[in-house]
Amino acid sequence: EVQLVESGGGLVKPGRSLRLSCTASGFTFDAYPMSWFRQAPGKGLEWVGFIRSEGFGGTTEYAASVKGRFTISRDDSRRIAYLQMNSLRTEDTAVYYCTRDYGDVEYWGQGILVTVSS
Amino acid sequence: SYDLTQPPSVSVSPGQTASITCSGHKLGNENGCWYQQRPGQSPVLLIYQNARRPSGIPERFSGSISGNTATLTISGTQAMDEADYYCQAWDSNTAVFGGGTKLTVL
Repeated sequence: EVQLVESGGGLVKPGRSLRLSCTASGFTFDAYPMSWFRQAPGKGLEWVGFIRSEGFGGTTEYAASVKGRFTISRDDSRRIAYLQMNSLRTEDTAVYYCTRDYGDVEYWGQGILVTVSS
Repeated sequence: SYDLTQPPSVSVSPGQTASITCSGHKLGNENGCWYQQRPGQSPVLLIYQNARRPSGIPERFSGSISGNTATLTISGTQAMDEADYYCQAWDSNTAVFGGGTKLTVL
């Protein structure tokens, strides 16, 4: 069974940094791209970015709203995908979801809340 | 930027057919998908490649596309189908979501 568990969320002040982790199980982690999505309170879904598998170069793509501030990485030996969030803004407050794949996403984590507030 | 437009809300009576549209000028050239999200839950993939259904998704959910408009159709709508529905497509390695449609089963 595919499982994705996010961790590392919480309350952080504007301008500070936070790193989310996504621990995966139930599939061959290094063969799949991994993505992050988010959903601000009461708002719709928003794509954050994804990282390709090492077999496809391990390269990344980001939404314009986070490019230059957020970085997605992966540790295939530990089966973990990361979302490093720097220079956080109040508008980054959201539930963040980790997913397997980047398109036609069947597997989502349960989501983790990040609140950016002074 | 590329936008996908959905109606904010759709209402349907139990047992009837609900249709949710998603319009975008590139939809005719790109595959799109649909997600269902119930309150407090993670999204669920309902339709991919415009009209294909993942295993485990009931047959009452179907997708179609005509020109630049994709449509999610729910036949024989049930109370449990009350949720938010999102269309999504890709534009040059960027994922784009519609604003979401709240389906109310009256």
